[in-house]
Amino acid sequence: EVQLVESGGGLVQPGRSLRLSCAASGFSFDDYAMHWVRQAPGKGLEWVSGIIWNSGALGYADSVKGRFTISRDNAKNSLYLQMNSLRPEDTALYYCVKDVSPKSGTYYFDLWGQGTLVTVSS
Amino acid sequence: SSELTQDPAVSVALGQTVRITCQGDSLRIYYASWYQQKPGQAPVLVFYDKDSRPSGIPDRFSGSRSGNTASLTITGAQAEDEADYYCNSRDSSGDHVVFGGGTKLTVL
Repeated sequence: EVQLVESGGGLVQPGRSLRLSCAASGFSFDDYAMHWVRQAPGKGLEWVSGIIWNSGALGYADSVKGRFTISRDNAKNSLYLQMNSLRPEDTALYYCVKDVSPKSGTYYFDLWGQGTLVTVSS
Repeated sequence: SSELTQDPAVSVALGQTVRITCQGDSLRIYYASWYQQKPGQAPVLVFYDKDSRPSGIPDRFSGSRSGNTASLTITGAQAEDEADYYCNSRDSSGDHVVFGGGTKLTVL
């Protein structure tokens, strides 16, 4: 089955760190760019970061640049998001997302996980 | 980064045609993609690029672009189409991705 399963979310205090993971299955993970997209409770979607097949970063949203780092391990079919210096405004459901196009990023997202909730609060 | 603007809410009578729009300067350069999100569920890609529809998406969903406006058209809206719809594209620099604020579609 083609799917993405996120993990690693939870309640964390402001200023602390958290690492999200995404396990991919059912497709050739190492062929595709991957992304993280988040959605604050009751709000819209926000792209966080993307990474191409060979671990070249596609970039970061201004709101997380310098605090978050995206990475991947193609041998483990896994995507990661290291989140440091967390702020209350980072509270959101974080989705792992697959890009439509092999190799480079098109920013068209054709497969979404169910998300992992990150809550930043004291 | 540039912004994408969507109407917050749109309604359509069952079986009629509805157009959901997305405006932004970056749309003069890049095509949009469109996502349907139902309550408690992850978004689903329904249309993208110039003329691409993912497998399994009904052909009543179609997309277009004119100037700085991208549109998602649902021809013959069904009750199950009631959802939030989001557009996205690269911003004008090409280095970031922007989403519209979303449109809540009500099927009457």
